[in-house]
Amino acid sequence: GAVVSQHPSRVICKSGTSVKIECRSLDFQATTMFWYRQFPKQSLMLMATSNEGSKATYEQGVEKDKFLINHASLTLSTLTVTSAHPEDSSFYICSAREIKPYGYTFGSGTRLTVV
Amino acid sequence: QQQVKQSPQSLIVQKGGIPIINCAYENTAFDYFPWYQQFPGKGPALLIAIRPDVSEKKEGRFTISFNKSAKQFSLHIMDSQPGDSATYFCAASSDDMRFGAGTRLTVKP
Repeated sequence: GAVVSQHPSRVICKSGTSVKIECRSLDFQATTMFWYRQFPKQSLMLMATSNEGSKATYEQGVEKDKFLINHASLTLSTLTVTSAHPEDSSFYICSAREIKPYGYTFGSGTRLTVV
Repeated sequence: QQQVKQSPQSLIVQKGGIPIINCAYENTAFDYFPWYQQFPGKGPALLIAIRPDVSEKKEGRFTISFNKSAKQFSLHIMDSQPGDSATYFCAASSDDMRFGAGTRLTVKP
């Protein structure tokens, strides 16, 4: 089946630094990838949709200059959290959409802790 | 942003019971309705999904019932086991995927 690899699984960074999270579709091409954020005991909230070769579309309330998304190839999307603050600490999950068969595959998530 | 309403928030059943989780949506553009299971610290894993042209789908112990006119769908877990204890999310998608708030299921031995 389809596999999405997300790295790193855990990262701790200092306040003010930047962190990059990678999301790769291993055995299929994903023209569209999605980034979600999940706070403890809450649901997955869509942050942005990224299409290969074009700018990401951000949900209302998500700062595009803070959460930089790059989808440079059909198998890789990256999320960079810039100038991280403790309130950015969360579980970040990516998802890639297959066209055939239609479906979404999720990465295993990245636990970001900003200290 | 929560375009899918899910209930209950938490559910406790005995082993062998049949927990039922319900979801409702408003956006008629949604055309794909999956259910995900999530364990702590892990990404969501697809359990079962349905499209609106079908009223019921069964895969193993999991069944989705779908009512297009009421814009509601539900997940039934037959013969539930302690290993089914997890958080379950319904979702709905058109151009992207939106999740319900989640249901924390506990199956007692």
